[in-house]
Amino acid sequence: EAQVTQNPRYLITVTGKKLTVTCSQNMNHEYMSWYRQDPGLGLRQIYYSMNVEVTDKGDVPEGYKVSRKEKRNFPLILESPSPNQTSLYFCASSQKGLAAYEQYFGPGTRLTVT
Amino acid sequence: AQSVTQLDSHVSVSEGTPVLLRCNYSSSYSPSLFWYVQHPNKGLQLLLKYTSAATLVKGINGFEAEFKKSETSFHLTKPSAHMSDAAEYFCVVSATPYSGGYQKVTFGTGTKLQVIP
Repeated sequence: EAQVTQNPRYLITVTGKKLTVTCSQNMNHEYMSWYRQDPGLGLRQIYYSMNVEVTDKGDVPEGYKVSRKEKRNFPLILESPSPNQTSLYFCASSQKGLAAYEQYFGPGTRLTVT
Repeated sequence: AQSVTQLDSHVSVSEGTPVLLRCNYSSSYSPSLFWYVQHPNKGLQLLLKYTSAATLVKGINGFEAEFKKSETSFHLTKPSAHMSDAAEYFCVVSATPYSGGYQKVTFGTGTKLQVIP
């Protein structure tokens, strides 16, 4: 089954404790992206990757890191989480990083930072 | 530059009546437009997309949207609401700012659709 998977689905952590949220897709997609969803704000893009070893900042990159060492994986790293990073996070992928291609979304990771 | 405005944060309809979710956009480029649906505690699923072909786009579950360039709108409609349509809906604009460049994606803030039995 074609899908985007994320782990963990739920995470509660404390301020400053480094964490990684994994994302994997099995569709051989070139483009992958991370979003955060906050009430009333819709989804905002954190980082995106056009292909292996090619990443760039989205609209809200502060406090996050990413890497794309393999085509299928695109982990999101929070090196020193803070309470304002409490949010619902989605990973997405699309066949190519062009405007006409729709994105496929993972199930989401709900992160709480205390 | 680009932006998306979903004109209603909440819409409530009775089951069996028409649905209208409004979306206006602005883009300096020739955009593609999408509607995604998010059911409670789920990821986002594509409903339909416009990519410069037919201006009236049909999607899944009986939804359709019409791209109106003169009005910069891409409203989502359905003739008859079903209980299973209760969800949050996102309008999305995507454009490639320059040839050989990468897409810029902007989400609207979402419209929650309530369907009353």
